Amino acid sequence: RKEVEQDPGPFNVPEGATVAFNCTYSNSASQSFFWYRQDCRKEPKLLMSVYSSGNEDGRFTAQLNRASQYISLLIRDSKLSDSATYLCAVNRLGGGGNKLTFGTGTQLKVEL
Amino acid sequence: DAGVIQSPRHEVTEMGQEVTLRCKPISGHDYLFWYRQTMMRGLELLIYFNNNVPIDDSGMPEDRFSAKMPNASFSTLKIQPSEPRDSAVYFCASRPSGPNTGELFFGEGSRLTVL
Repeated sequence: RKEVEQDPGPFNVPEGATVAFNCTYSNSASQSFFWYRQDCRKEPKLLMSVYSSGNEDGRFTAQLNRASQYISLLIRDSKLSDSATYLCAVNRLGGGGNKLTFGTGTQLKVEL
Repeated sequence: DAGVIQSPRHEVTEMGQEVTLRCKPISGHDYLFWYRQTMMRGLELLIYFNNNVPIDDSGMPEDRFSAKMPNASFSTLKIQPSEPRDSAVYFCASRPSGPNTGELFFGEGSRLTVL
């Protein structure tokens, strides 16, 4: 089983829709969690961290469920510019917290 | 400010040839990471350095792969001899010391095709 798993999609949604992605992780010792965004043929960039209590940044909401070992990303009022691949990333204890493990990503396509 | 700079951006080579990928991290960043991305396996950590010292190379697939960081502003990833299964996008990333926010700053990647 992969350490971090995501549904690859694609998720095709109309502009203005709300869309949610989940990401599961297998190592219960995982310590910190993040969502990255990767545009086509570009490098990944940090979108937001995921805090235990859940956190929001504009139209984006991230949540963590430690009991079930998953994190989620909710995008409200989706825009054409949200079309990208969303990678979840998990940091494990040890290794100075530098072993950031990524999922393979979920592709989102927002359409007119 | 300049971001992480990688070269070459694209490389097409034949099986058996040596490939050298280069990276210049963001000035002042003490951590440097090499990742490989493929459709099947996603983004995989190969090796990372702290203050030019390799800390964890457990992700390096085999002896054909080697990485060096001779100084704070330059790192190389070498594949010798290259094989078709090495075809991937290789990303270099860096981050500063201090609290680990989980934010890595990636370069634009080097797209390698081995024929």
